[in-house]
Amino acid sequence: DIQMTQSPSSLSASVGDRVTITCRASQSIISSLNWFQQKPGKAPNLLIYAASSLQSGVPSRFSGSGAGTDFTLTISSLQPEDFATYYCQQSYSTPPTFGQGTRLDIK
Amino acid sequence: EVQLVESGGGLVQPGGSLRLSCAASGFTFSSYAMSWVRQAPGKGLEWVSAIGSSGDSTNYAASVKGRFTISRDNSKNTLYLQVNSLRVEDTAVYYCAKAAYGWYLLDYWGQGTLVTVSS
Repeated sequence: DIQMTQSPSSLSASVGDRVTITCRASQSIISSLNWFQQKPGKAPNLLIYAASSLQSGVPSRFSGSGAGTDFTLTISSLQPEDFATYYCQQSYSTPPTFGQGTRLDIK
Repeated sequence: EVQLVESGGGLVQPGGSLRLSCAASGFTFSSYAMSWVRQAPGKGLEWVSAIGSSGDSTNYAASVKGRFTISRDNSKNTLYLQVNSLRVEDTAVYYCAKAAYGWYLLDYWGQGTLVTVSS
């Protein structure tokens, strides 16, 4: 199985900050990397797919980059509604696997 | 509008069984692979199983293989997960999710149904 490792596991930031979350795969997944946002009690919401493509309806302050084994999710200017948990997921091979999550809290 | 509505969760004793359902609407159900993903209380996301658009192909996580069975009825726009021989560690919210293309790019998710395994 491909292991996905996110860092940091938690992060405190302020409204307006620029935030970067990283995700590393245990082997190359080309660009088959997706990012999800999850708020408490809610289902995950797809933000970025194929490493850098913005899902329809997602604000442009979210962006993704990377290829191979190293990927990043960047939020250019944090908004109050962005405080949530973020997960990366590889869709390259079976079984698809998720990172452990990054909890983004208000500082 | 795409909608996925899960049902069938509940409290069950270890060794028991349940059948989870996911009613789909707002898209051509028979054209897309579907998955079940679960989340234990306070934990991360774990993919459980997937089924191809026609229902002929299935995949399972090692942790559930031989105990869970995924199926679909394209005439009813419904996805199922039969969960047998339940263990305490199967306690989780179970989400159904639609694949955008391929098998594992999951673009729409239901609200989840809670399965609690406890004596």
